[in-house]
Amino acid sequence: GQNIDQPTEMTATEGAIVQINCTYQTSGFNGLFWYQQHAGEAPTFLSYNVLDGLEEKGRFSSFLSRSKGYSYLLLKELQMKDSASYLCAHSGTYKYIFGTGTRLKVLA
Amino acid sequence: NAGVMQNPRHLVRRRGQEARLRCSPMKGHSHVYWYRQLPEEGLKFMVYLQKENIIDESGMPKERFSAEFPKEGPSILRIQQVVRGDSAAYFCASSPAGGGTEAFFGQGTRLTVV
Repeated sequence: GQNIDQPTEMTATEGAIVQINCTYQTSGFNGLFWYQQHAGEAPTFLSYNVLDGLEEKGRFSSFLSRSKGYSYLLLKELQMKDSASYLCAHSGTYKYIFGTGTRLKVLA
Repeated sequence: NAGVMQNPRHLVRRRGQEARLRCSPMKGHSHVYWYRQLPEEGLKFMVYLQKENIIDESGMPKERFSAEFPKEGPSILRIQQVVRGDSAAYFCASSPAGGGTEAFFGQGTRLTVV
């Protein structure tokens, strides 16, 4: 099967660090993606991991362990504008399968 | 380079009417994906198309829904005889190749069935 699990909601404080976990099961694997989606808007690309390890991009980092079927998105120095849904997705041979998303609320 | 263009942004249909949603992929992209999203939920895969071909329609209801991506023109998602349960946001994404590259999303079409 093709399953993706991530927490439904998380809350964090402005300036803090938050880690959003994602576990997945897939018969074919061609990469793990993270997207950000603000309410009422389109998803926007954040990161892509195809090899094990950590990819850093500014305040955002993403980690992948293929053997464990596990990824996380790390957000540092949280800002109010980071309040959004964060979608984990894996791609097999061609299509992208998304999790239900994690709604992150950043509190002042 | 324009992004993925979807139209209309909002569409209201009465029960029993037809809804046609259009998606023009980014320039140079030949892979198109349609997703459906209910409020507070994730993106549910519907169909994957390349030019003139449906590659995977495993997420699309067997009745009333169809999709195409002609040689010329945008991809079309067509919903016949709409029902209230079809009300959702429909997002289109495109990529230059399948799977291992970033997919870019359009702004979505919000369909309301009254």
